[in-house]
Amino acid sequence: DTGVSQDPRHKITKRGQNVTFRCDPISEHNRLYWYRQTLGQGPEFLTYFQNEAQLEKSRLLSDRFSAERPKGSFSTLEIQRTEQGDSAMYLCASSPREGKGYEQYFGPGTRLTVT
Amino acid sequence: LAKTTQPISMDSYEGQEVNITCSHNNIATNDYITWYQQFPSQGPRFIIQGYKTKVTNEVASLFIPADRKSSTLSLPRVSLSDTAVYYCLVGDMYNTDKLIFGTGTRLQVFP
Repeated sequence: DTGVSQDPRHKITKRGQNVTFRCDPISEHNRLYWYRQTLGQGPEFLTYFQNEAQLEKSRLLSDRFSAERPKGSFSTLEIQRTEQGDSAMYLCASSPREGKGYEQYFGPGTRLTVT
Repeated sequence: LAKTTQPISMDSYEGQEVNITCSHNNIATNDYITWYQQFPSQGPRFIIQGYKTKVTNEVASLFIPADRKSSTLSLPRVSLSDTAVYYCLVGDMYNTDKLIFGTGTRLQVFP
């Protein structure tokens, strides 16, 4: 299966620590998205890459969050100085080059728990 | 923004056809309509996407009237495994301002 993969699947960290998540998109997809999802809510858009360029970043996204996609392949999402409110599922998705609307393929997510 | 409105929840029984309607009165010319399914603790799964008229795949059908101000996701002969949350999104790939999942429609299928 060559779907979107995310690592780790679960992360427990203490408040104030930094965490980094990795996403490997479907290989031929050039666009990559990060989302955050809390219980009972739909995924919330965080940021978006086309190839290695970060084109959009949610205005709601704290400066403690940063994402990279250095070679236009995998991406990392880092959260610095984690807070309890950062506890959520972090989802990554990729979309095909020829896509038109919001056709995206999601990974399984990384569940973050901040204690 | 092309805000979408869909029912919070729906109930059905196995073997029935389920239709979930999404309203998007302010849809723009370049916007596509995309539906996702999500099970607990999993990422959303792309189901179907359309621009106008009807689209059908092995999972579902999507009906879009001529004015495109609404759309209906049709799930034929649902089973217990179709119990999930369904999201309707409207937009185009170049504009993330409309990339809003909302709370979706929670479909519960009973035996």
